Amino acid sequence: QVQLVESGGGVVQPGRSLRLSCAASGFTFSSYAMHWVRQAPGKGLEWVSFISYDGSKKYYVDSVKGRFTISRDNPKNTLYLEMSGLRAEDTAVYFCARDGFYHDSGGPFDYWGQGTLVTVSS
Amino acid sequence: DIQLTQSPSFLSASVGDRVTITCRASQDITTYLAWYQQKPGQAPKLLIYAASTLQRGVPPRFSGRGSGTEFTLTISSLQPEDFATYYCQQLNGDPVFGPGTKVVIQ
Repeated sequence: QVQLVESGGGVVQPGRSLRLSCAASGFTFSSYAMHWVRQAPGKGLEWVSFISYDGSKKYYVDSVKGRFTISRDNPKNTLYLEMSGLRAEDTAVYFCARDGFYHDSGGPFDYWGQGTLVTVSS
Repeated sequence: DIQLTQSPSFLSASVGDRVTITCRASQDITTYLAWYQQKPGQAPKLLIYAASTLQRGVPPRFSGRGSGTEFTLTISSLQPEDFATYYCQQLNGDPVFGPGTKVVIQ
């Protein structure tokens, strides 16, 4: 069965960096685009970033452009989100999610991880 | 950028009720719309995509309609496990989520 497991969250001071990981299993990871979505405490869902199945295309929400970098290691079945210059407003649960279209993008997010909490605080 | 609004933002209902949630887009997104259910402490779950296609394993009491700028999610007979927050999402370009509709027990 499809499984996505995030890790790497924690408490970090403003301005510092953190790297999140998402380990995928149960499907051909290299054939699906992936996303990061975040949810601030008590708030709604916010799409953060996208990476195509082969890593050639990457997109970001405006609020993280220049600070966050999405990447993937297909042989290791792992998705990453490198976050730098962290701000208090980046505090959220970060979910990785699979794009439902095979070898394409623009699909619904059909599988999600359980999320990892990032808290930015001094 | 495409924006989504949802109404109502909060809905109080009873088991067995028929409930409808509306999602409106700021511009035409044809049928590039999905619906998700999220319970406290859990990840969102995909219910419907392409505006009206039921995701595998989702009970048929859930249905979606609409195209262009106005969409609806209907639960034909609310069950205890359906009390949750529901989000619409547009997929025409950068994904955007609606603000959510919380469905609570009356």
